Amino acid sequence: NAGVTQTPKFRILKIGQSMTLQCAQDMNHNYMYWYRQDPGMGLKLIYYSVGAGITDKGEVPNGYNVSRSTTEDFPLRLELAAPSQTSVYFCASSYSGGGITYEQYFGPGTRLTVT
Amino acid sequence: QQPVQSPQAVILREGEDAVINCSSSKALYSVHWYRQKHGEAPIFLMILLKGGEQKGHDKISASFNEKKQQSSLYLTASQLSYSGTYFCGTDGDVYSGNTPLVFGKGTRLSVIA
Repeated sequence: NAGVTQTPKFRILKIGQSMTLQCAQDMNHNYMYWYRQDPGMGLKLIYYSVGAGITDKGEVPNGYNVSRSTTEDFPLRLELAAPSQTSVYFCASSYSGGGITYEQYFGPGTRLTVT
Repeated sequence: QQPVQSPQAVILREGEDAVINCSSSKALYSVHWYRQKHGEAPIFLMILLKGGEQKGHDKISASFNEKKQQSSLYLTASQLSYSGTYFCGTDGDVYSGNTPLVFGKGTRLSVIA
């Protein structure tokens, strides 16, 4: 199993550009998440999905969009990039059922710089 | 609401023990613990569930006090490989575990020889 994969690993964007961060998992997990982590800080939830076709906002959704058309894929779209979106982005997945959310598996991260 | 972790940072010599605490202002259904090394993704260590079920790591243990809404992570006989930032994650709804985790700000642990 590849686990959770993310592309690209690094990206530099100019202010106002748009891009999509790709995320895929091969563990048949129902839940998927996008986090951002600023230097020296914790993880902030951007969006999450409880299954294909269902997404919901997290703590910091402004400036981002997501879709989940399949169980495996959960892309994150940045529209009109701003310097405040410079961060490391982690995608994660987990199985949740029976009232329990089990361990989250994280992808390797995408380091994004907006200048 | 974000759980509060303490201490913010700790330095240990190899072989020493450490305790990292995580507390919440609301009732918890489960607590997760993760470790992140510099430049890497977080890695799962432990999950503690309401009612006492526990999964986790051989050399690291944890407790979950539901009444106090607290969890503690115990690192014994620390090794250099224990260095990193430890995050607790708590879920939002005591009646249903199916809510996203909210992570604390992390505790930076440094183990020196």
